[in-house]
Amino acid sequence: GNSVTQMEGPVTLSEEAFLTINCTYTATGYPSLFWYVQYPGEGLQLLLKATKADDKGSNKGFEATYRKETTSFHLEKGSVQVSDSAVYFCALSRNQFYFGTGTSLTVIP
Amino acid sequence: DAGVTQSPTHLIKTRGQQVTLRCSPKSGHDTVSWYQQALGQGPQFIFQYYEEEERQRGNFPDRFSGHQFPNYSSELNVNALLLGDSALYLCASSLRQNQETQYFGPGTRLLVL
Repeated sequence: GNSVTQMEGPVTLSEEAFLTINCTYTATGYPSLFWYVQYPGEGLQLLLKATKADDKGSNKGFEATYRKETTSFHLEKGSVQVSDSAVYFCALSRNQFYFGTGTSLTVIP
Repeated sequence: DAGVTQSPTHLIKTRGQQVTLRCSPKSGHDTVSWYQQALGQGPQFIFQYYEEEERQRGNFPDRFSGHQFPNYSSELNVNALLLGDSALYLCASSLRQNQETQYFGPGTRLLVL
């Protein structure tokens, strides 16, 4: 079947720290992979995506690389800001979307 | 250009009742998907509509049903509400030919007492 496993949170970092949120997936075939972000009280927003192996998605300083050999799509950012505080969801698309459970990130000044 | 809108924003119901949630897709979009997001969990796919028909369905009972109108807006109906139906219900819209690029609405928070 299809599923996504995400690093559990919550994660608390100081401003300008390096961020990694781990995501691994199980899928039939070759899915597209996504990171979504959910700010408090809001719906999900697409952060970045990758559609095939070795693709790198990037947006707003965040990056993730589609690793077929390790079935992973880890989210990274070199220097987080307070405004990055949110819940981050890893997802795959294979006829329908499958989401991970989310990782809450809090960045403190 | 309006994004995805949902109504109502919040709703309180009691067990056994029925509820209807509404969604207007982003301008130009013809496909609507519905998700249930329980507290502390990721969204779970309920179903997807385009051309006024249900096209894909997730692992949800028949108590969950939907409809899409000719203007592409959509409704989610839940019958015989259970306490476990309490969740944030999200609507997402997309183009049929680019379903992987979906835009989410802010959601409807349903509380079942």
